[in-house]
Amino acid sequence: DGGITQSPKYLFRKEGQNVTLSCEQNLNHDAMYWYRQDPGQGLRLIYYSQIVNDFQKGDIAEGYSVSREKKESFPLTVTSAQKNPTAFYLCASSHTGQDNQPQHFGDGTRLSIL
Amino acid sequence: AQTVTQSQPEMSVQEAETVTLSCTYDTSESDYYLFWYKQPPSRQMILVIRQEAYKQQNATENRFSVNFQKAAKSFSLKISDSQLGDAAMYFCAYSPYNFNKFYFGSGTKLNVKP
Repeated sequence: DGGITQSPKYLFRKEGQNVTLSCEQNLNHDAMYWYRQDPGQGLRLIYYSQIVNDFQKGDIAEGYSVSREKKESFPLTVTSAQKNPTAFYLCASSHTGQDNQPQHFGDGTRLSIL
Repeated sequence: AQTVTQSQPEMSVQEAETVTLSCTYDTSESDYYLFWYKQPPSRQMILVIRQEAYKQQNATENRFSVNFQKAAKSFSLKISDSQLGDAAMYFCAYSPYNFNKFYFGSGTKLNVKP
C-alpha cells in the first residue's frame, strides 16, 4: 500500500546532540513537508521541498536542517541549536500542480529531551 | 500574510446531534483551496473535506459538509449525526492556488458524548 513512513515513532535527544527523523514516501509525490506540533497548537511548517535537490525554509526553520537527495526521502535533522526540540513532528507529501492536492501525512515522531 | 483562525479551542456534542466548527482566514488572493483535517488520538492527520474557492457550491462528504462564505472569509465544518468516532482535533487549513504550502489553524478539540 502506498503511504508515508516516519521513523522512529519515539526519539530521545541528549543535550548537544543532533538527531535525524526519517520520512519516506512511495506515493510518487513531488512535494514533501515537515511540520512541528506542540500541545494545544496547530501545525507549524519547518521546511518544505517541491522537487529533488531543492527545499525552502518554513516559518520555524531555525535549529533544523533537511536534505532532498531522492524523491522518496526527506529527512529532518534537529540540531543542537534547536533549544526547545520537544514536540511531535509530522511529515507530509503531496502532488504539485494547479489543483492543490491535499497533503498526506505520516504517523509522526515524538521527540523528547533526556 | 495568510492566517487561519479557529476561535473554538474545544467543543462538545451529543451523539447523533449536529455540530459546527468555525474557521476564518485572511488572504488577499482570489483563488485558493481550503481543507479540514481530523486528528484522532492516534495523531494521524486525516483529510475530511476540500473546498476550491472558485466553486460556489459547498463541498460535502457524507456526514461532513462545509459552509463556505468567500466574502466573509469563513469556512465552517458541519458534522451531522455525530458519532463517537468523530471525537478528535479538527484543523482548518488554507493553501494558495498553484502553491502547495499549507497554513493551519490552531485546531478545535471535539468531544462526542454518548
